[in-house]
Amino acid sequence: EPEVTQTPSHQVTQMGQEVILRCVPISNHLYFYWYRQILGQKVEFLVSFYNNEISEKSEIFDDQFSVERPDGSNFTLKIRSTKLEDSAMYFCASSETTRGGYEQYFGPGTRLTVT
Amino acid sequence: QQQVKQSPQSLIVQKGGISIINCAYENTAFDYFPWYQQFPGKGPALLIAIRPDVSEKKEGRFTISFNKSAKQFSLHIMDSQPGDSATYFCAASRNAGNMLTFGGGTRLMVKP
Repeated sequence: EPEVTQTPSHQVTQMGQEVILRCVPISNHLYFYWYRQILGQKVEFLVSFYNNEISEKSEIFDDQFSVERPDGSNFTLKIRSTKLEDSAMYFCASSETTRGGYEQYFGPGTRLTVT
Repeated sequence: QQQVKQSPQSLIVQKGGISIINCAYENTAFDYFPWYQQFPGKGPALLIAIRPDVSEKKEGRFTISFNKSAKQFSLHIMDSQPGDSATYFCAASRNAGNMLTFGGGTRLMVKP
């Protein structure tokens, strides 16, 4: 069964450093998303991406964040200058939507620890 | 208006019992309501979802009940098993491709 994959599973970085989180969405899906989950809290939307551009973003997704689809398979989230409060699980998700499907499928996540 | 409120925060059920988790929303533009199951250290896994044109959807032991007028929906887990112990999130979205707004989560423990 196709699934969303994410790398790395755990990333430790120092405050102020740049990090890139990588995702491979399900191959025939057209919408891609990033969500984050601070430990013990709910899942929060960051950004959605469709047709090579951002379609929606939350207040959390400020100028420190960027997304990119560098090739036909990968989808990345970059945090330019990490802060302690960026420590969280980051989930990538994808959905098909060509036939009106709303289902979003999540990857296993990347645990980001900022020290 | 974008919030989805979920209750209870935690739930303990005996094996074989019924687990019931409730969610309420304000935004009447929401038209898709999924439930996700999350085990520790894992990503949310889509469990079951409903659109507002039906009041109930059942898949195996899992049932969603939807009350459009009250803007509420709930997840019922029949014959709850220890393997169902996880955190459950309700969510809502407006259109295909739009962001999911998640509830706060319910930590379910099913005692053997």
